[in-house]
Amino acid sequence: AQSVAQPEDQVNVAEGNPLTVKCTYSVSGNPYLFWYVQYPNRGLQFLLKYITGDNLVKGSYGFEAEFNKSQTSFHLKKPSALVSDSALYFCAVREKDGNNRKLIWGLGTSLAVNP
Amino acid sequence: GAVVSQHPSWVICKSGTSVKIECRSLDFQATTMFWYRQFPKQSLMLMATSNEGSKATYEQGVEKDKFLINHASLTLSTLTVTSAHPEDSSFYICSARDLAWDRDLSSYEQYFGPGTRLTVT
Repeated sequence: AQSVAQPEDQVNVAEGNPLTVKCTYSVSGNPYLFWYVQYPNRGLQFLLKYITGDNLVKGSYGFEAEFNKSQTSFHLKKPSALVSDSALYFCAVREKDGNNRKLIWGLGTSLAVNP
Repeated sequence: GAVVSQHPSWVICKSGTSVKIECRSLDFQATTMFWYRQFPKQSLMLMATSNEGSKATYEQGVEKDKFLINHASLTLSTLTVTSAHPEDSSFYICSARDLAWDRDLSSYEQYFGPGTRLTVT
């Protein structure tokens, strides 16, 4: 069965420091991987995705993520955190093959960037 | 970019009444829309997949007679919470897939609406 794990409920980082939000996944085939961000009382905004090709994916707002097939991970990173990055981050996965169009979601990681 | 709207953004209703939430894709066509429910500080729970012109596919444990979904056009899906009770209070979010992407299965993402906060008193 497909699954996504975000092992950290909360990540705290000082402004200007690098940040990492972790995500690991489990699918039977090749994955599509996504990161979304949710600001308070808002819907989700797409950050980036891995479909194929280069393992390092660059997305919105200076975020990037690295697909690691051997570790089945897709950690979200940013070299220098901003206070405005504080939000709830969700990782999601979908199998590349097959007719299942659903995304499987992680439980979310709350990122707090301290000034 | 692709924009999805939801209406209303928030609603308060009395127990026993029904509430309709609209989800619209504003600048693209969507054969598939998804309805999610989110509890405070929790992940998204997929309720159902809404397909234009056909019946919605509900996730296990979601009452189809309570959460009525209609996807009458390529730009509009509605979720009606019937005979609402306080335990139905939640944040409901819809998302949509661009029809153009449906034809290209190598690329896939969902565009999310801003959500609707439902409070049942």
